[in-house]
Amino acid sequence: GENVEQHPSTLSVQEGDSAVIKCTYSDSASNYFPWYKQELGKRPQLIIDIRSNVGEKKDQRIAVTLNKTAKHFSLHITETQPEDSAVYFCAASSGGGADGLTFGKGTHLIIQP
Amino acid sequence: GAVVSQHPSRVICKSGTSVKIECRSLDFQATTMFWYRQFPKQSLMLMATSNEGSKATYEQGVEKDKFLINHASLTLSTLTVTSAHPEDSSFYICSASSRQDGPNEKLFFGSGTQLSVL
Repeated sequence: GENVEQHPSTLSVQEGDSAVIKCTYSDSASNYFPWYKQELGKRPQLIIDIRSNVGEKKDQRIAVTLNKTAKHFSLHITETQPEDSAVYFCAASSGGGADGLTFGKGTHLIIQP
Repeated sequence: GAVVSQHPSRVICKSGTSVKIECRSLDFQATTMFWYRQFPKQSLMLMATSNEGSKATYEQGVEKDKFLINHASLTLSTLTVTSAHPEDSSFYICSASSRQDGPNEKLFFGSGTQLSVL
């Protein structure tokens, strides 16, 4: 089955700086890669996703890149703000959508004022 | 995005009792819903896939007789934790996919249920 590794487990950055979270996956058939943001005790919120037919996608301060050859994808947050503090999960699916999503272990992002 | 409602948000029960959690898709029909379990500071672990009108598909290691799933309609799936024990205490989250979006299908989560078994 799919195995998703996520690094780092904790990331602390100064407000205004950029944050990068990286994930690798094992199943070359995976073709859908969403990122979720989860605040303590709340539901995971989809913040951005990418499918295997593109290499990069951007939405305001958030961007995701995908390297299919190397089987890794990354989340980039620029101009970080205090409200970006949360746990971020990457995931991968070979079904093109929600079926069989395998999640990474999460990254606790801390934005230092 | 699509809205998924989950109730209750928090349950405290005695050991040996059963607890029912409801998951509803409010503005779309969900032929498939998913149930996840999350321990503190850990990732989301898929427990089972709930299919409308048919039996749920359970992940390896998940006891189907303990975690009963019913998906009787296109907008409602329920998870019943039977004879709950303290080790069942966890955060349970349901999710549903927006299959009607076709190739742009996405997964949306309910608000979660914090179960505490005394």
